[in-house]
Amino acid sequence: SQKIEQNSEALNIQEGKTATLTCNYTNYSPAYLQWYRQDPGRGPVFLLLIRENEKEKRKERLKVTFDTTLKQSLFHITASQPADSATYLCAPTFDTGRRALTFGSGTRLQVQP
Amino acid sequence: SQTIHQWPATLVQPVGSPLSLECTVEGTSNPNLYWYRQAAGRGLQLLFYSVGIGQISSEVPQNLSASRPQDRQFILSSKKLLLSDSGFYLCAWSEAGSMETQYFGPGTRLLVL
Repeated sequence: SQKIEQNSEALNIQEGKTATLTCNYTNYSPAYLQWYRQDPGRGPVFLLLIRENEKEKRKERLKVTFDTTLKQSLFHITASQPADSATYLCAPTFDTGRRALTFGSGTRLQVQP
Repeated sequence: SQTIHQWPATLVQPVGSPLSLECTVEGTSNPNLYWYRQAAGRGLQLLFYSVGIGQISSEVPQNLSASRPQDRQFILSSKKLLLSDSGFYLCAWSEAGSMETQYFGPGTRLLVL
């Protein structure tokens, strides 16, 4: 069965550095992959979507890459700020006909001032 | 613009009591609707999704059920709550015919004692 793996350990970085989060999947390549941000006690919020024919997508300080050979997506936050502290979830969409997303368990990012 | 509402925000219920959580979406027609549960410190677990009125797909067997009596209304129910039903329940919607970006409600925190 399909597996989605995100680093369960929290990532701690200093303000101003670049945070890099990883999402790995097994077996089939997704048609596209999304990244969401979740703050404690809140619902996830959509950040970026990248399609299988795209290598990279950017939005302000955010960048997502998609490597179908490595079966991996990287999510980067440049010039990180304490306000970026949250849990980040990846959600690959596989062309299985199932009309729903499967989310990874998320990686918690803590940006220290 | 579209908005999604969930209520109640928090709920404390005794074991064996019934449950009804409601979710409504405004500003869109025929959305796909989803119910997720998130245990403390864990990832999102998809419970049910619906692509239309009266059409419910169940992802995991359990003592919960879902109904969609109206186009933009999604209800999560149980006849008898278990301790293991405690968690953070999130409703989400996506555009009709798409499962791309999902938009989440504020969530309901349920504690079963």
